[in-house]
Amino acid sequence: AQTVTQSQPEMSVQEAETVTLSCTYDTSESDYYLFWYKQPPSRQMILVIRQEAYKQQNATENRFSVNFQKAAKSFSLKISDSQLGDAAMYFCAYVNFGNEKLTFGTGTRLTIIP
Amino acid sequence: DAGITQSPRHKVTETGTPVTLRCHQTENHRYMYWYRQDPGHGLRLIHYSYGVKDTDKGEVSDGYSVSRSKTEDFLLTLESATSSQTSVYFCATSITSYNEQFFGPGTRLTVL
Repeated sequence: AQTVTQSQPEMSVQEAETVTLSCTYDTSESDYYLFWYKQPPSRQMILVIRQEAYKQQNATENRFSVNFQKAAKSFSLKISDSQLGDAAMYFCAYVNFGNEKLTFGTGTRLTIIP
Repeated sequence: DAGITQSPRHKVTETGTPVTLRCHQTENHRYMYWYRQDPGHGLRLIHYSYGVKDTDKGEVSDGYSVSRSKTEDFLLTLESATSSQTSVYFCATSITSYNEQFFGPGTRLTVL
């Protein structure tokens, strides 16, 4: 079974600074998809970014970017110019093509220090 | 944004009582999922559906059943609620299994 590991239960960053959240996964598949979801205090889960494993280029969405290292099975999220609204739980998730079950990590709680 | 609603949003019930949670979507997405969220565990899949009347188990399916008689509705039933089922339950939908999942607002269930 695939596993997703987020080794940092909590992180904090100064407002306007950059922070990187770590995620590693275990799989024997070659065709898969990776996601970062954000859950603010409102509890509403929102997609931050999606990466297809066959694409070598790292996905970016405005201030959010990933460092996808396929050989190392690593998928970290970088948040640039951190804002107070970025405070949330962040979940890394994995699904391989042909499988219908998304596997989540246990999450990292990000605090933004004004 | 996908229109996904969950009802009820909060429920307190007693051990041994049957409970049904409803998820309703207006986006005509093929896939629907039920997750539970507990501290230290992230989101864990309970059951999912890949079409009307087509469902399958997730990693924590014991004690839960589901039904999907229409594309827009996915029901989660706790046949006899236990205190270990106290949790926040999320419904999600997606077009395919590897596309973005859209989440409902969650249901907080407390079993006394």
